[in-house]
Amino acid sequence: GQNIDQPTEMTATEGAIVQINCTYQTSGFNGLFWYQQHAGEAPTFLSYNVLDGLEEKGRFSSFLSRSKGYSYLLLKELQMKDSASYLCAVIRDSNYQLIWGAGTKLIIKP
Amino acid sequence: ETGVTQTPRHLVMGMTNKKSLKCEQHLGHNAMYWYKQSAKKPLELMFVYNFKEQTENNSVPSRFSPECPNSSHLFLHLHTLQPEDSALYLCASSQDNQKHYEQYFGPGTRLTVT
Repeated sequence: GQNIDQPTEMTATEGAIVQINCTYQTSGFNGLFWYQQHAGEAPTFLSYNVLDGLEEKGRFSSFLSRSKGYSYLLLKELQMKDSASYLCAVIRDSNYQLIWGAGTKLIIKP
Repeated sequence: ETGVTQTPRHLVMGMTNKKSLKCEQHLGHNAMYWYKQSAKKPLELMFVYNFKEQTENNSVPSRFSPECPNSSHLFLHLHTLQPEDSALYLCASSQDNQKHYEQYFGPGTRLTVT
């Protein structure tokens, strides 16, 4: 079957670093997305990984290990506006549909 | 503002009503999607249209009926819904659905079925 696991909720402190993990088991793989969704708003694209390794984009980085079925999103220098849900999604290679995780709600405390 | 708009933003309807959700994208994309988002559950893909043709229907009940008159507009017609259909309905678009193009989402319609 298709399965994507993320922690339901995480708490971190403003200015700190947090790592949000995502593990997946899917029939086929053609890349992994991370999206950010603030409460009551649309999900917005953060990153895309298809090869193993780390992709850095400002304060946010995303890592992928295809052999382990594992990705993480690393957020540095946390700001209060980073409080949001972070969604992991895998592209199946058969039809390019996205399989979504349930999302990780990140709470930032002062 | 992502370039994808949805109306209405909120909708309350009885189980015998008929209503429609509207989505419009101003990005020149060719693929459009309907998703259902329920609390603490993964996004559920409902329908996919590519160049106005429906390419996916993920076993969605017939009380949900999509319509795509052109590549910029997508509708979701609702009739005789059930309380468990209450959720956030998100529309998204992408350049097309044949590659790993990122999807751009609208703000969603919060639907409550009473």
